[in-house]
Amino acid sequence: DADVTQTPRNRITKTGKRIMLECSQTKGHDRMYWYRQDPGLGLRLIYYSFDVKDINKGEISDGYSVSRQAQAKFSLSLESAIPNQTALYFCATRRGWGNQPQHFGDGTRLSIL
Amino acid sequence: KNQVEQSPQSLIILEGKNCTLQCNYTVSPFSNLRWYKQDTGRGPVSLTIMTFSENTKSNGRYTATLDADTKQSSLHITASQLSDSASYICVVSAGETSYDKVIFGPGTSLSVIP
Repeated sequence: DADVTQTPRNRITKTGKRIMLECSQTKGHDRMYWYRQDPGLGLRLIYYSFDVKDINKGEISDGYSVSRQAQAKFSLSLESAIPNQTALYFCATRRGWGNQPQHFGDGTRLSIL
Repeated sequence: KNQVEQSPQSLIILEGKNCTLQCNYTVSPFSNLRWYKQDTGRGPVSLTIMTFSENTKSNGRYTATLDADTKQSSLHITASQLSDSASYICVVSAGETSYDKVIFGPGTSLSVIP
């Protein structure tokens, strides 16, 4: 079983719809992140959370919201999807000390028509 | 502005050949540099991490170098295999604060052909 699981893996929807992407982890890490990946660009941080009561905006948070339902669950919502939010979305986790790497899920490919 | 650049954008090599991928960064204050491998349809996976005091680090057929003075890193792949076909992403972490300031490069797409 994957340590970081994202659902759905693919989603096609229409402009204006509300979308929720979910992430769950079995690694026991306290830090969780949401990124988007666009062709030719590096991953960009949308939101991050250091624990259940801690939510922080990343560099591109406009149009997105998140919820940390439990240490193991971190969901990303697009309240009213628009076409330029079409991208590959990744959830990542990290242990909160030392030079630990981020552990990524396999991504959600989101297309907004 | 904190920035990470990678070259080449894409590369095609024959199986068994060596190759070197480049990463230049303007990130301050520098904390560490990590190389990730991202297979098609998968999330990135960490290959190696370089801290300020490290010049070279190997992980099997992968060898990373770091020149903190010129702010450059390279990833050398020896005796390439078809399974090395992937995107290789250079990631630089900044500072020592609680905020995870991590800057991702755009990646180099490597194709290894028979």
